Amino acid sequence: NAGVTQTPKFQVLKTGQSMTLQCAQDMNHEYMSWYRQDPGMGLRLIHYSVGAGITDQGEVPNGYNVSRSTTEDFPLRLLSAAPSQTSVYFCASSYILGSEAFFGQGTRLTVV
Amino acid sequence: AQSVTQLGSHVSVSEGALVLLRCNYSSSVPPYLFWYVQYPNQGLQLLLKYTTGATLVKGINGFEAEFKKSETSFHLTKPSAHMSDAAEYFCAVITSGAGSYQLTFGKGTKLSVIP
Repeated sequence: NAGVTQTPKFQVLKTGQSMTLQCAQDMNHEYMSWYRQDPGMGLRLIHYSVGAGITDQGEVPNGYNVSRSTTEDFPLRLLSAAPSQTSVYFCASSYILGSEAFFGQGTRLTVV
Repeated sequence: AQSVTQLGSHVSVSEGALVLLRCNYSSSVPPYLFWYVQYPNQGLQLLLKYTTGATLVKGINGFEAEFKKSETSFHLTKPSAHMSDAAEYFCAVITSGAGSYQLTFGKGTKLSVIP
């Protein structure tokens, strides 16, 4: 079972560049979300989705866009990368509210 | 809004000693509570969860946690630490309402196990 797959694993961007972090799950989960992890800050929710076509903002949405055209995919777009977006990004999915969230292996992003 | 506080960003215990990682939450309604573990350079893995029912929850790798509503706490324990328990541990709470769904994490506690 693939579970939650994130690509790429590592990325270096220049300030102002845009890019898309990919997230796919093969478990038919309705709920998907994106977090960023920074030292001493835990995981902070960027955006989440409760189903195809439905997305909402989390705690730190500025500078990021998401869409959910299919149940399986939930890409995260950085519109104009800034050094403050240097972080490790995790995608997660869960079947129903209150069930276990499954996490991808993360994408380590550096913006220079 | 829900929030989660983990006391102690770094905890060190000797191998074989009791592990106690503290978590308090703020909530006006019964919460869903979770503990996740993160090993270096990996994603998060569920240790255990509380939704309803028995307040003492057993998880993987010998960990357990007790939901105490009166103290708004969900502390994680393990009777005897093993070297393989060295990792970062996150407490999390989930809320829903009016079509929203959020899983909120504490800032994490890094556990070191001393031989």
